[in-house]
Amino acid sequence: DAMVIQNPRYQVTQFGKPVTLSCSQTLNHNVMYWYQQKSSQAPKLLFHYYDKDFNNEADTPDNFQSRRPNTSFCFLDIRSPGLGDAAMYLCATTLGGGFYHEQYFGPGTRLTVT
Amino acid sequence: RKEVEQDPGPFNVPEGATVAFNCTYSNSASQSFFWYRQDCRKEPKLLMSVYSSGNEDGRFTAQLNRASQYISLLIRDSKLSDSATYLCVVNMDTGRRALTFGSGTRLQVQP
Repeated sequence: DAMVIQNPRYQVTQFGKPVTLSCSQTLNHNVMYWYQQKSSQAPKLLFHYYDKDFNNEADTPDNFQSRRPNTSFCFLDIRSPGLGDAAMYLCATTLGGGFYHEQYFGPGTRLTVT
Repeated sequence: RKEVEQDPGPFNVPEGATVAFNCTYSNSASQSFFWYRQDCRKEPKLLMSVYSSGNEDGRFTAQLNRASQYISLLIRDSKLSDSATYLCVVNMDTGRRALTFGSGTRLQVQP
């Protein structure tokens, strides 16, 4: 089945130790998103790629970076994780164009910072 | 004021009840509207899109009132499996190709 896959599902890292989360998709969607979701809060958009074009949200900290080496893969790099970065990180994809942007989410990576 | 605002609940209802959720959005130029469902510690999944004329999918009915900037979701004949958080989602700016999520309304259906 076509899907959005995230690895790992659970990640534990130490304060200040860089970590990379990965997302892959078999939907052939040209738009990929990264969200951060903390408990009982809405998913918060960090950035997205439209094809190769990177779009950063104005309030996304510099500590968060992303790479998209090809259509299928997208990575989220957290350069120096702080305790406040502990959250669920969700990757989503959509087919760009038109008003109705249904997004397909991966299962998420739950990040713990110790 | 939040861009997309929902009553956080929780809504505790018995099986078989009808329950309604409301959502307001701040940007009158918003173009598309959705309800997503999110189970505990899982990813959001699309429940239904919301069209101007209102739409129904089985036990679920969504309504949009552009003049009041208000979206609703009605669930009839609630099932235990309907227990989840329901996220109101709005495309506020088509140029940005991004969705804005409400923080969700939690529903607990009880036997």
